[in-house]
Amino acid sequence: DAKTTQPPSMDCAEGRAANLPCNHSTISGNEYVYWYRQIHSQGPQYIIHGLKNNETNEMASLIITEDRKSSTLILPHATLRDTAVYYCIVRVLNNAGNMLTFGGGTRLMVKP
Amino acid sequence: DGGITQSPKYLFRKEGQNVTLSCEQNLNHDAMYWYRQDPGQGLRLIYYSQIVNDFQKGDIAEGYSVSREKKESFPLTVTSAQKNPTAFYLCASSHLGDTEAFFGQGTRLTVV
Repeated sequence: DAKTTQPPSMDCAEGRAANLPCNHSTISGNEYVYWYRQIHSQGPQYIIHGLKNNETNEMASLIITEDRKSSTLILPHATLRDTAVYYCIVRVLNNAGNMLTFGGGTRLMVKP
Repeated sequence: DGGITQSPKYLFRKEGQNVTLSCEQNLNHDAMYWYRQDPGQGLRLIYYSQIVNDFQKGDIAEGYSVSREKKESFPLTVTSAQKNPTAFYLCASSHLGDTEAFFGQGTRLTVV
């Protein structure tokens, strides 16, 4: 699986959009970009995934650049409960299972 | 409610003792996984299983053992051979080929 690079930490004001970047310059054509988040001392939670098109769900939006070498997770209106570590993961989607490789992630602090 | 349950939440053991962490899911998932997380770090894969009675080593399997006798259960044994067992242990499950892994709330193991 391709390696990802994320900033170690970011701050965001409550109610504003949080834009979390991720670099994955060695991504292969069949690898998807996944985002999970982990609130302190809990298990990670799936947020969103995409291949090359932008994706949106009730939690967030995922913007993937045209060359697919980077992506941005957008939380449109961050709340204090969005304070967590956000992990960007790149992997092939196949029938072999969900063996995820988690890097250090970005620690997002949402401030009042 | 459907979900994945880990027990206990906190576990203390003396050095040199084996200890078994429980993981149960009622989501009818074929695949189950064990991860280890150290403070301030991402998750690392210990073992995974894609079908009953079969499992594979992950990145850090040394000092650990697992079994998968039932689809719903995937217990992890931390043996005395594990040099530094104190950590946060997370269990997850998913359908094969699915995009989303569901995580338990974790077991924090402290060996003294």
